[in-house]
Amino acid sequence: DTAVSQTPKYLVTQMGNDKSIKCEQNLGHDTMYWYKQDSKKFLKIMFSYNNKELIINETVPNRFSPKSPDKAHLNLHINSLELGDSAVYFCASSHRGTRQAFFGQGTRLTVV
Amino acid sequence: AQTVTQSQPEMSVQEAETVTLSCTYDTSESDYYLFWYKQPPSRQMILVIRQEAYKQQNATENRFSVNFQKAAKSFSLKISDSQLGDAAMYFCACSGGGADGLTFGKGTHLIIQP
Repeated sequence: DTAVSQTPKYLVTQMGNDKSIKCEQNLGHDTMYWYKQDSKKFLKIMFSYNNKELIINETVPNRFSPKSPDKAHLNLHINSLELGDSAVYFCASSHRGTRQAFFGQGTRLTVV
Repeated sequence: AQTVTQSQPEMSVQEAETVTLSCTYDTSESDYYLFWYKQPPSRQMILVIRQEAYKQQNATENRFSVNFQKAAKSFSLKISDSQLGDAAMYFCACSGGGADGLTFGKGTHLIIQP
């Protein structure tokens, strides 16, 4: 059983399109996250979310929005995709007490 | 706000030897955690080791150990008896309070020479 799974693994799309990446965790964690890894491998948090609060990194464009239908899922919606959005996006989850993040396998998004 | 600095973009070590990866951090939190993650070419993020800031004892996991110097805000990773499978990007990370998530360093690319 995969602890944190995200789909798809690869996503190629044209500029201007809207796309979603799905994430599910079966660890019973209370907090989920989205991270972006750029072409230089730098990892930066985009969002963290539990059932009470959403923390948004102020540098994230409002074209990006997280949607959480329940505690086990945190999907990422991206509107009007731009070339600069090309990156690897990681979903992760953690228990608020331990803060050890468990990561999904990543989604490589390529905008053409 | 937190910052994590890894000053070694790349390190190379002979198989079976020992290598140390450096990391310094800065945080205003009193309760924080430090981590080393490994990212092999498969891009999966794998936890190597974790250190709670309130614990004075350095964490160890088999061939992996840390040197945690709280006053100096230093958190280095030592890999003993390096193996070919250790070749990867290694990221140092700090987690502060609440649900803020991890702040990562820029990573160190570790090369293992056979």
